[in-house]
Order: sequence, then C-alpha cells, then structure tokens
Amino acid sequence: AQSVTQLDSHVSVSEGTPVLLRCNYSSSYSPSLFWYVQHPNKGLQLLLKYTSAATLVKGINGFEAEFKKSETSFHLTKPSAHMSDAAEYFCVVSGAYNQGGKLIFGQGTELSVKP
Amino acid sequence: GAGVSQSPSNKVTEKGKDVELRCDPISGHTALYWYRQSLGQGLEFLIYFQGNSAPDKSGLPSDRFSAERTGGSVSTLTIQRTQQEDSAVYLCASSTGLFIQETQYFGPGTRLLVL
Repeated sequence: AQSVTQLDSHVSVSEGTPVLLRCNYSSSYSPSLFWYVQHPNKGLQLLLKYTSAATLVKGINGFEAEFKKSETSFHLTKPSAHMSDAAEYFCVVSGAYNQGGKLIFGQGTELSVKP
Repeated sequence: GAGVSQSPSNKVTEKGKDVELRCDPISGHTALYWYRQSLGQGLEFLIYFQGNSAPDKSGLPSDRFSAERTGGSVSTLTIQRTQQEDSAVYLCASSTGLFIQETQYFGPGTRLLVL
C-alpha cells in the first residue's frame, strides 16, 4: 500500500534562510509524488510534482524537490524563505494504478517564517 | 479560466439533519474527487468519479455518506443524519483523467460544522 510520512509537524525558519521540509514515502511501484501548499483559509495549491521524469523537480515560487528512490524520500527545499511562504505543506503520493488516481496525503508540515 | 468551485463555503447544521455539498469541476475535467480534511484524521480520500461513474466508494466513512455526479459535471456529496464527527472541511478536486500523474485542482472547500 502507498503511504507518506512527513517527518516534521512544524518547521520554523528565519526570513532569508533555507527551507527543508522532509518527506518519506512507501510504494509498491514507481509512484507519482506531489507537494501541495495550503495557506490559511485557502485551497490546496500544487507546488510541484514528480512523475518519473527528472529526479530534481522545480516548482513555483522557487521551491524544488528531489526524488531519491534509494532513500524513498522526496524532500522539499527552497534556498531563501520569504514571509509569504508561511503555510501548511503536504507531501502526497498517488494511489495504486487501479485506484483511479486518488491521492494519499501526509499529515502536513506547518512552516513558520520569522522576520 | 474558472477553477473548481464549491458551495456552500460554510454550513452549520444540527446533529441528525441531512446536508448536501456541491462541487463544480473545471470544465472538461472528466475525473472528480472528494476529500475530507479534519483535525483528527488529516486529509483523507472519500470517493472519485470518472464521468458519472464511481468505481470505488470504499473511502466513504459510513453508509450515511453518498455522492453522485450528473452530466459528467456537477457532483453532490450528501451526508444523512449528520454526527458531530462529520465536522470537517470537505474538498473537491478535478483532473483531466484518472492517470496517477495527473494534477488534481482543488476547490476552496466547504467547512461543515455539526452542532
């Protein structure tokens, strides 16, 4: 069965410093992996996705993630945090091929950015 | 273009009443998904549609929950005899197909409070 674990429930960084949000996945086949962001009282927005092409995936707003099969990880990074990055981030894995594309979400990581 | 829309945005109801939640997907998207976001359970998959058909209803938490889709477009999620544990944000998403690589676009959600 597919599953995803976000290793930190809360991360706090200072503005201008790097961001690292950690995610490990479990899948019985080559998965699709996603990072979504949810700002307070807003809907989920796709940051980036991995679909078995390049292992280093670039997304919106300067975020990127690297798929590492040997480590079953898909960590999200950004070189320099901005105040507007404060939000909840979800690492997501696709369900099995016969499950109609359903998404399986991690528990989320709340990112705080200090001035 | 227009994104996924959901109505109502907020719903307060009394325990035991029935509620209907509506989702309008992005025009042309054949796949539609319902998820639930609650404090205790995080984000969990409920049901998906391909056209008007729902091949997998196993994510629905109980037989009080049902969903339908008509005309390959609008979907309604109905909760009968609501309970306090049904309080959550109900999210709808749509995509162009059911492939696991597809991006799902989320609506703003319906926040349901059962008193």
